[in-house]
This record gives sequence, structure tokens and C-alpha cells, in this order.
Amino acid sequence: GQQVQQSPASLVLQEGENAELQCNFSTSLNSMQWFYQRPGGSLVSLFYNPSGTKHSGRLTSTTVIKERRSSLHISSSQTTDSGTYLCALSNYGNEKITFGAGTKLTIKP
Amino acid sequence: EAGVTQSPRYAVLQEGQAVSFWCDPISGHDTLYWYQQPRDQGPQLLVYFRDEAVIDNSQLPSDRFSAVRPKGTNSTLKIQSAKQGDTATYLCASSRDWVSAETLYFGSGTRLTVL
Repeated sequence: GQQVQQSPASLVLQEGENAELQCNFSTSLNSMQWFYQRPGGSLVSLFYNPSGTKHSGRLTSTTVIKERRSSLHISSSQTTDSGTYLCALSNYGNEKITFGAGTKLTIKP
Repeated sequence: EAGVTQSPRYAVLQEGQAVSFWCDPISGHDTLYWYQQPRDQGPQLLVYFRDEAVIDNSQLPSDRFSAVRPKGTNSTLKIQSAKQGDTATYLCASSRDWVSAETLYFGSGTRLTVL
């Protein structure tokens, strides 16, 4: 089955620094999505990005299928960016969606 | 449009007790997922439906867990005899058509504590 590895497991930055989060997958993918989760909160979709690069404000997602990786870049981080970032994906012709373990991001003021 | 609705928000049980979780997906979403998320871990798929049919329940502990979606709309996840290891947040999600670039929407989850 699909294996999903996220790195780093945790990341602590000062406000204003940039964050780079990685998601690596073991087999070809059909669809992938990045989510944000505040402690005790539900998951909120950030990007649906099975290939290429997408931007949303200070966030950028880049998925390179042949390298089996996707990244999430947060520029000029803010304390409100603190939380857990999860990637989720599925294989071709399959709606079974597998999540990574997440990256716990802490932004210090 | 209304989001994915789950209830109850919290549940606290003694070992051996039963509990049911309820999920109302977004209208028109034919695919519904149940995930278990232990503390500080990513969500782990338990079961998913397309309409009323179970597509994959291979990760559902069948001796104690059951899930139904009888009319292809609302769904119920039941734990027959809870164990401390079942302590986790149970998340329901729905999608119109994931494989055609439709995104996945989550409910607020039910936080279960088994004492």
C-alpha cells in the first residue's frame, strides 16, 4: 500500500522565519491534499495539489510526481501558523486516502 | 453549504461500554470516510463508503467496531466494547469525487476517552 512520510516531525521557528515541510510517498499518486490542524481542532484544507505549484497568500505547495514528494512552504511565519500540518494522498483509481503522521510547527514570538 | 456534522463532540466511557458516533456529510457527497486519530498522530483510515456500500473496511477492528451508511447519506460508527486503546478522536470526512480533484471535508470530530 501507499506509504507516506512527513518531515520534519516537529519544527520550532521564530516569528518571521520561513518554514519548509516535506511529504514523501512510496508509489505513484492520483490526488494529494495538504491540511492544517490546530490542537484539538478539525482538519482544514490548505491545498489540493496532485502536481505542480500552487500559491495561497504566504503558503506555497509544490508536488513533483516523478520525485515522489510534495512540499509546503510558509513564508514570513506568524504565531498563528502554529499547529500540525498533514499531507494526504491516494493512488490512481483509488479513493482510499492515506495520511502522513504530520509536522508539528511551533512559531515563537 | 453546511459542513460535515458529527456528534457527540465528546464521549467518556469505562472499558467494556458501547458508544456510537454519528456523521452527516455534505449534501451530494457520495464518499464518506471514518478516521481514527490517536493523540499526536495522523488520521488512520478505518472504513469508507461510496453511497451505502462499504468500499474498504480492512482497518476496522471487526470484532468490536461496526459502521453503516444505510441510505447513502448519514453514517454511524459503533464500538461495541470499548478498550483504553480506543482513546482517540474519531473523524468523519466526505468528498464529492476525490479522484476527480474534489477536496476532502472534515467534521469537528468526536473525542473519545476510555477509562
